Amino acid sequence: NAGVMQNPRHLVRRRGQEARLRCSPMKGHSHVYWYRQLPEEGLKFMVYLQKENIIDESGMPKERFSAEFPKEGPSILRIQQVVRGDSAAYFCASSPGGAQTKNTEAFFGQGTRLTVV
Amino acid sequence: AQSVTQLDSHVSVSEGTPVLLRCNYSSSYSPSLFWYVQHPNKGLQLLLKYTSAATLVKGINGFEAEFKKSETSFHLTKPSAHMSDAAEYFCVVTPTGRRALTFGSGTRLQVQP
Repeated sequence: NAGVMQNPRHLVRRRGQEARLRCSPMKGHSHVYWYRQLPEEGLKFMVYLQKENIIDESGMPKERFSAEFPKEGPSILRIQQVVRGDSAAYFCASSPGGAQTKNTEAFFGQGTRLTVV
Repeated sequence: AQSVTQLDSHVSVSEGTPVLLRCNYSSSYSPSLFWYVQHPNKGLQLLLKYTSAATLVKGINGFEAEFKKSETSFHLTKPSAHMSDAAEYFCVVTPTGRRALTFGSGTRLQVQP
């Protein structure tokens, strides 16, 4: 059973370009979470999705960022018109269902490291 | 609102000596608490989680943590450090029923030979 798969592992974009980050959850998991880790900081929650639904996007910047988790295929985090401040590691986690409560462990991918030049 | 404070950004120990990584939390609800480890350029791995069944929680690789409600603490310990323990450690909280994890700022553990 493969773990959470994120690709690409490293992504370099010029300012103004678009970045698309992909996350395939573990088999059987229908809940996906995206987190951002700035250098020397902890992870910050961005968005929580189930298949075809955004459940909680309270951590998403209001502009340029969007996320989806279609019925088929991976979850996508999309950043339009990237700026230098978007440079960070973006982690995806998945869980089998329900909230990330004490009884539901979240499994993390290895992250995508975005560098904006 | 829930939050976690990791009291030390860096901890350095000698191989074979005990490890103590400190974490204090605040939560309006009965919290769920976790410790995750992140090795360089790797993803995060769950070390242990507090499920309210027991206040002393044992995890992988010899780590354990004790939930102390009176002190609002969830410190991570290991009796004897190994070189492979060098990594970044995150204390994480989520109130029961909330969906997202709230991470501390992390503690970087160095293990000297």
